[in-house]
Amino acid sequence: GIQVEQSPPDLILQEGANSTLRCNFSDSVNNLQWFHQKPWGQLINLFYIPSGTKQNGRLSATTVATERYSLLYISSSQTTDSGVYFCAVERYNFNKFYFGSGTKLNVKP
Amino acid sequence: GAGVSQSPRYKVTKRGQDVALRCDPISGHVSLYWYRQALGQGPEFLTYFNYEAQQDKSGLPNDRFSAERPEGSISTLTIQRTEQRDSAMYRCASTLGRTGGGTGELFFGEGSRLTVL
Repeated sequence: GIQVEQSPPDLILQEGANSTLRCNFSDSVNNLQWFHQKPWGQLINLFYIPSGTKQNGRLSATTVATERYSLLYISSSQTTDSGVYFCAVERYNFNKFYFGSGTKLNVKP
Repeated sequence: GAGVSQSPRYKVTKRGQDVALRCDPISGHVSLYWYRQALGQGPEFLTYFNYEAQQDKSGLPNDRFSAERPEGSISTLTIQRTEQRDSAMYRCASTLGRTGGGTGELFFGEGSRLTVL
């Protein structure tokens, strides 16, 4: 399979701070997605970003497929940003998504 | 439907019983995936379908687990003779299933939480 590594595993921020989450993957991919999950909650789609840069409000993401990594930026963090952020990649020509183990974010008021 | 729908949302069963988990994907989505998620971990691939064909079942843990999608829409994941280690959140997802350039954006349902006593 493909290895998907996310860092850091845990992150504690004060409200208003900025952060960068990283996702490294070990093989060529067709697609990459970022998800946000509250404890045992639904996986919420943040970005579908096989390459390039996208922005949605305070969140933005960049994927450099040739160098096999993606970054998720959270600016002016809020307590509602707390939860686990997962990166998932679709391995090239396999139509199968592999998940990293996530970054657990805790934003304190 | 508008989103991926799963039922039941919660299932408590006794060890040795069979359970069936249902998934209704987004209307028009060709590809359907089953994942299992343990607390504190990322979703783990179980199996996936394109239309009614099961393309990959390499993630099913053993032969007590099976899945079907007979008409290319609703899918059922069945676990026979459940064991306590089967307790987890079971998640279904679907994509458009485009050919070439990836299968499309993955959308998840809310999951079915299974507890085996």
